[in-house]
Amino acid sequence: EVRLVESGGDLVQPGGSLRLSCAVSGFTFSSYWMSWVRQAPGKGLEWVANIKQDGSEKYYVDSVKGRFTVSRDNAKNSLYLQMNSLRAEDTALYYCATGGGIGGHFTHWGQGTLVTVSS
Amino acid sequence: DIQMTQSPSSLSASVGDRVTITCRASQSISKYLNWYQQKLGKVPKLLIYEASTLQSGVPSRFSGSGSGTDFTLTISSLQPEDFATYYCQQSYIIPYTFGQGTKLDIK
Repeated sequence: EVRLVESGGDLVQPGGSLRLSCAVSGFTFSSYWMSWVRQAPGKGLEWVANIKQDGSEKYYVDSVKGRFTVSRDNAKNSLYLQMNSLRAEDTALYYCATGGGIGGHFTHWGQGTLVTVSS
Repeated sequence: DIQMTQSPSSLSASVGDRVTITCRASQSISKYLNWYQQKLGKVPKLLIYEASTLQSGVPSRFSGSGSGTDFTLTISSLQPEDFATYYCQQSYIIPYTFGQGTKLDIK
């Protein structure tokens, strides 16, 4: 069974940092692009970032470029999102998802981890 | 960025109805259009990818069509468990973008 479990969400002040993690099991992690998708409270879905199987390619939505960094550790079957200089508009439920390479789709999703940016 | 526009934004229907949701891209995205279903408080679920391919395990009452800029999601006979919000998403060009969602509720 494919399983993705996010962690690391918290309440943080504007300008602060957080590191989200996504632990996966049930599939060959190193064979898949991986993505982060977020959903602000009561709002729609927004793709945030993705990373190629070997970590050699990474892409971001403009609103997080220079502030967020996606990474992965294939030996640990884990995906990460380092979030710096957080803003109120980053408040959202952050999902990790399998897929997201060009032409691809988000097949499996975790339950999400909530990031709240507020003073 | 490619803008994805869904219509309608909300829709009321009855069990057994045939429902169609439309998604329009601001430029051609070939066949790279995906549909997701999200029930209240739940995780999004992939229904259809590449415009018309049904994801494994998804009931056959769901179907997708279209290419280029215009796409549709059709539910042939609504079931009680289908009341949810539906999102389209393009995976042709980064940044990937979603439609604003179509909320389908019970009439």
